Amino acid sequence: QVQLQESGPGLVKPSQTLSLTCTVSGGSIDSGGYYWSWIRQHPGKGLEWIGYIYYSGSTYYNPSLKSRLTMSVDTSKNLFSLELRSVIAADTAMYYCASHVAVAGPAGAFDIWGQGTMVKVSS
Amino acid sequence: YVLTQPPSVSVAPGQTASITCGGNNIGTKSVHWYQQRPGQAPVLVVFDDTDRPSGIPDRFSGSNSGNTATLTISRVEAGDEADYYCQVWDGSSDHTVIFGGGTKLTVL
Repeated sequence: QVQLQESGPGLVKPSQTLSLTCTVSGGSIDSGGYYWSWIRQHPGKGLEWIGYIYYSGSTYYNPSLKSRLTMSVDTSKNLFSLELRSVIAADTAMYYCASHVAVAGPAGAFDIWGQGTMVKVSS
Repeated sequence: YVLTQPPSVSVAPGQTASITCGGNNIGTKSVHWYQQRPGQAPVLVVFDDTDRPSGIPDRFSGSNSGNTATLTISRVEAGDEADYYCQVWDGSSDHTVIFGGGTKLTVL
């Protein structure tokens, strides 16, 4: 069974780049079997989808974040990553990585979630 | 595309809770539902409108028609108290995942 684990800095300064990784265990990230996603949750608020990446490198990004966002896959380390540039206080949130089976296409449900990692943007 | 959920629903133990998710012609989309207990990651409880992942009790069921999708929880237990989110894929324009605002289920 695939499991996901997020990692990254708990604190990022405004205007800097937030970098997070999600390590995949129990399966191969380049098997073609899954879409790999990032989702965030502002404190006390609802869920916000950030974007998908497929093992091939194809991506779908939230239009509201697209100009600051890059997602990538590292098959040698079996992980995928998020980079969010020029962060502001409003980027403070719990960041989750999640996945769903590729046969469902981009409309599939997120059936696997990481535990989440809290990121605070502050000087 | 916007998904509208009631902020809160309250129900007594043993009763049935219905949580709605409104959206324009949502009946034409696949709707997924997540349960999130405090301090925990979301858990998928219903996918593709009506299906349950393995391990999810059959007390959880879903329906979707017209402009409203509904998550129904029968024989509600104290452990069902959580936030519930609906989710769809909007492939029509920006190709994005949309979440509803969430509903806090309180077990009285």
